[in-house]
This record gives sequence, structure tokens and C-alpha cells, in this order.
Amino acid sequence: NAGVTQTPKFQVLKTGQSMTLQCAQDMNHNSMYWYRQDPGMGLRLIYYSASEGTTDKGEVPNGYNVSRLNKREFSLRLESAAPSQTSVYFCASSEGPRINYEQYFGPGTRLTVT
Amino acid sequence: AQSVTQPDIHITVSEGASLELRCNYSYGATPYLFWYVQSPGQGLQLLLKYFSGDTLVQGIKGFEAEFKRSQSSFNLRKPSVHWSDAAEYFCAVKREYGNKLVFGAGTILRVKS
Repeated sequence: NAGVTQTPKFQVLKTGQSMTLQCAQDMNHNSMYWYRQDPGMGLRLIYYSASEGTTDKGEVPNGYNVSRLNKREFSLRLESAAPSQTSVYFCASSEGPRINYEQYFGPGTRLTVT
Repeated sequence: AQSVTQPDIHITVSEGASLELRCNYSYGATPYLFWYVQSPGQGLQLLLKYFSGDTLVQGIKGFEAEFKRSQSSFNLRKPSVHWSDAAEYFCAVKREYGNKLVFGAGTILRVKS
């Protein structure tokens, strides 16, 4: 099992450009999450999907959109990148509501917006 | 709202010394608590978790943590630190409703030889 995979690993964007971060999990998990990690701030939840077909905003959703393409895949889109979105982005998954709460993380995408 | 505080931003210990990383949480009921480790350039890996039962939980890599309700704490310990333990450590608590987690700001552990 690969667990949670993310592409790309690194990305540099210019202000105003758009891009989509891809995430897939092969653990048959129901719930998936997108976080951003900034120094001294821990992980902050951007969006999550409790189950296939549902998505909800987290703490810092502004400037982002998500798509739960199917049970395996959960993508994060930046429509018009801003320097404030320079960060490390992590995707995670968990078995699902009321089943098991531990989350499994991907390796991250390091995004720089200039 | 639930919150997690990790009071130490950086900690330096000598190889072979004992380690304790502090974590305090705010939560009304019995919390679901986690410790994760992040090696440089990597994702987060679960070290251990507490849901209920024995308040001393064992994890991977020789780590353990003790849940103390009276102190709202869930401190991570290791009796003898190895150089490979140098990493950032995150404490997390499950939100009261749903299955989202709230993370602390992290503690960076440096191990000196």
C-alpha cells in the first residue's frame, strides 16, 4: 500500500496563476483533509471531506476550492495564487466519522508563490 | 472550542538523555489525543494515541505518553533519546463534534551528540 500520495512535491507559481494539488489514498478511507503548515502555526485545516460526495470548510478556506473526485481522490485548487499561500500543503485521510479518528498523512507539497 | 498548547517551541537534549515534551489541551469531556512526529521534509507519522482506558500509552519508536485529566495534559516521554529522534513533534486533540483534529504549534527537538 502506498498510503496517501500527493503530487507535485514542489511547485513555484507566480502571483495570479492557478494550480491543482492532487491527493489519493489507497486505504479505503472515507474522510480526507487538506492542511497547510506554516512555521510556528502547526497545521491548519483548509477543507475536509467527511465522506465521498461531501466537502466542508475548515479554519482557513479563503482562496481555495476542493473536489472530492471519488472515494480515493481529493484535490485542492488555488484559483489565483497569492504570496500568502506560500506554504507546505498536506493531505490526510482517516477511516471516517465514528470509526477511527487517527489521520494518515501524505509527504506534502511545498508551494512557493512569487 | 478545543485548543492544544505546546509550551516549548524548541528543545535540545543530549543523546542518551531522557525527554519529555509537554502538551496541554482544552476540552470538556474525555478527549481523543494524539502525538505525531515529522522528520525534516516528510509528512506526519502517528506516534501514539489515547482514547480511553490506561492513562499511560505506549507508541512506536520507544515513546510513551501519559494522560492526566487533572492537569489537562498529555506529555510525551522517551527514556533515552537517539540522534534519529531529532524532528518536530505535534500534539493533537479531536474536536468535540465530527472527526477533525486540532493541532498544537509543534515542538522542534534537537539532539546533540
